[in-house]
Amino acid sequence: AQKVTQAQTEISVVEKEDVTLDCVYETRDTTYYLFWYKQPPSGELVFLIRRNSFDEQNEISGRYSWNFQKSTSSFNFTITASQVVDSAVYFCALIAGGTSYGKLTFGQGTILTVHP
Amino acid sequence: NAGVTQTPKFRVLKTGQSMTLLCAQDMNHEYMYWYRQDPGMGLRLIHYSVGEGTTAKGEVPDGYNVSRLKKQNFLLGLESAAPSQTSVYFCASSRGQTNGYTFGSGTRLTVV
Repeated sequence: AQKVTQAQTEISVVEKEDVTLDCVYETRDTTYYLFWYKQPPSGELVFLIRRNSFDEQNEISGRYSWNFQKSTSSFNFTITASQVVDSAVYFCALIAGGTSYGKLTFGQGTILTVHP
Repeated sequence: NAGVTQTPKFRVLKTGQSMTLLCAQDMNHEYMYWYRQDPGMGLRLIHYSVGEGTTAKGEVPDGYNVSRLKKQNFLLGLESAAPSQTSVYFCASSRGQTNGYTFGSGTRLTVV
């Protein structure tokens, strides 16, 4: 079975601080896909990134960066110089193989609040 | 391009009432999903479909039924609503089994 754990339930920072959201996953499959989604206060779910298990390169997109480490089964998300608009719930998710193929398994989510 | 559209956006039901949530996608995606979101539990899969005419159970299927008579539509039914079904329901679709999902805007359902 697959599992995604986001140990940080809530994080509060002041604008311009850097913040890292942790994600640890469990799967026995060698091929899998990891995702991050953002859910702003308006409620919709916004896709941020997809990464497959064979690509461990870190990725940077503007103020966002992702660190994928298979050795620790982690896929952490860092926001540099946070802004108030980054306030949202962030979900890490996993698609693995076997009978779970095609189905996203979500973590519990991390509520990020950025104060001005 | 509307993407994934869910109706209604809000609904209040009395215990024992029935209702159907409608999800429509215009991206010609094969795969469609229904999730529920509850505080502290993330999103949990209720039912899913891998193509027109097919449905399958997810992680929390009890109390729900689904149908996918047309490729673009995926209906979620509650036959006899219970307070435990108070939640935010999200529909999603995807092009393939490893692609990210496109989500609808959600339906907030309250059962009193």
